[in-house]
This record gives sequence, structure tokens and C-alpha cells, in this order.
Amino acid sequence: DVKVTQSSRYLVKRTGEKVFLECVQDMDHENMFWYRQDPGLGLRLIYFSYDVKMKEKGDIPEGYSVSREKKERFSLILESASTNQTSMYLCASSLHPGQGVRNEQFFGPGTRLTVL
Amino acid sequence: DQQVKQNSPSLSVQEGRISILNCDYTNSMFDYFLWYKKYPAEGPTFLISISSIKDKNEDGRFTVFLNKSAKHLSLHIVPSQPGDSAVYFCAASFSWNTDKLIFGTGTRLQVFP
Repeated sequence: DVKVTQSSRYLVKRTGEKVFLECVQDMDHENMFWYRQDPGLGLRLIYFSYDVKMKEKGDIPEGYSVSREKKERFSLILESASTNQTSMYLCASSLHPGQGVRNEQFFGPGTRLTVL
Repeated sequence: DQQVKQNSPSLSVQEGRISILNCDYTNSMFDYFLWYKKYPAEGPTFLISISSIKDKNEDGRFTVFLNKSAKHLSLHIVPSQPGDSAVYFCAASFSWNTDKLIFGTGTRLQVFP
């Protein structure tokens, strides 16, 4: 079974703080993704990475950066947290296309971040 | 601009009846569609998918229908069970083997006894 774990289930930070959200997957997946989920907006892609040290912007990258130093770990960084970044953050991983598998993404349980 | 839309934020269905969740998309280049189910405090889990070369895919109680001309897909759950109560997201991609998925806004399904 694929397992995607996220470092915290709940996090409360103050405006202006630097915030790190960590995600680890144990299935040797090439792709990793960070989404945020907000009511009425669904899941929106922030960043994704298709290989170590590689990253691509998603639909809403502003205010975020990412780091992927090892294949199994993908970190989301809020350089200076703001109240509008209060949200549920979801990490996912998938195999790279071309290996004969559909692009099913496996999700972690999410981190509920509150910025005060 | 929301390319994948679920216009019903919530749906309430009696146990044993059919649940129909709808999803519309705007980009005719989408080639592959998926449904995910999300319980509170858990991440979404894959439920069922369909390629654009098909108009129906069935897996047990779950069936997905695709109407390409209308750019519309639907998920049917028959019979609905209380354990089906969750948020359902549809997602689309430009191919079955591309990296990115574009998700809809979600529909909260409640199945009551």
C-alpha cells in the first residue's frame, strides 16, 4: 500500500512566520504534488515536482516555495505566512507517466494550517 | 478560470437510492477523468476513472458516464450507503499518462438512513 505522510495534522502560526510543511512517500514515486483545499474552490495545485531538485509551478504558486532534495520527501515553504494562507494543505504522489499506469495520485491526510 | 466544475456543492440521498454526482468541464482537450472520494480528516482516495474513448465505466456500485459532446460526466452510486457520505471530487487530465490533474470544486454527499 502506498503511504503518504504529512508532518503535522494541525498547525497554528502567526502572520510573518516562515512555515515548513513536510511530506514523505514510501513508494518510490517520481511525482509529488502540493495542493490546498478551500471551501467552494476544490483542490488547487500549488507546486509539483517530477524528480529530485525539479519543480514546476502549479496554478497558485504565489507566496509559496518548495524543496525536493530527496525522492521521498517534498517540502512546502511559506516564506512569510499570511492569513489568506489559512487552509487545508494536501500532499500527493504518483508514478511518472509512461510506466504503463494511469496517473492516479495518492494523497496524504492533510495539514490544517491556521495563520493568525 | 475553473476548467472543471461541480455545480452542486451538496447532495442528500436516502440509503438504498441512487446518488448522481455531476461534473462539467470546459476544455475539450481533456482526455481522462477520475473521481476521488474524501472523508473528513483524510486525504482524497481514488474511486474510479474513465478514458475519453469510453462513455461508461463500472466498478461495483459505482458507474461513471461520460458525455463528450456535452463536456459532462457523472458518477452514479447504486445503492447508496451511509458509508458513501463524503466529499467527491472529479478531476481531469490531458491524457491518462500525464502528471497533472485538474480538480473540480467538490460535492458533499450525505446518505441518510
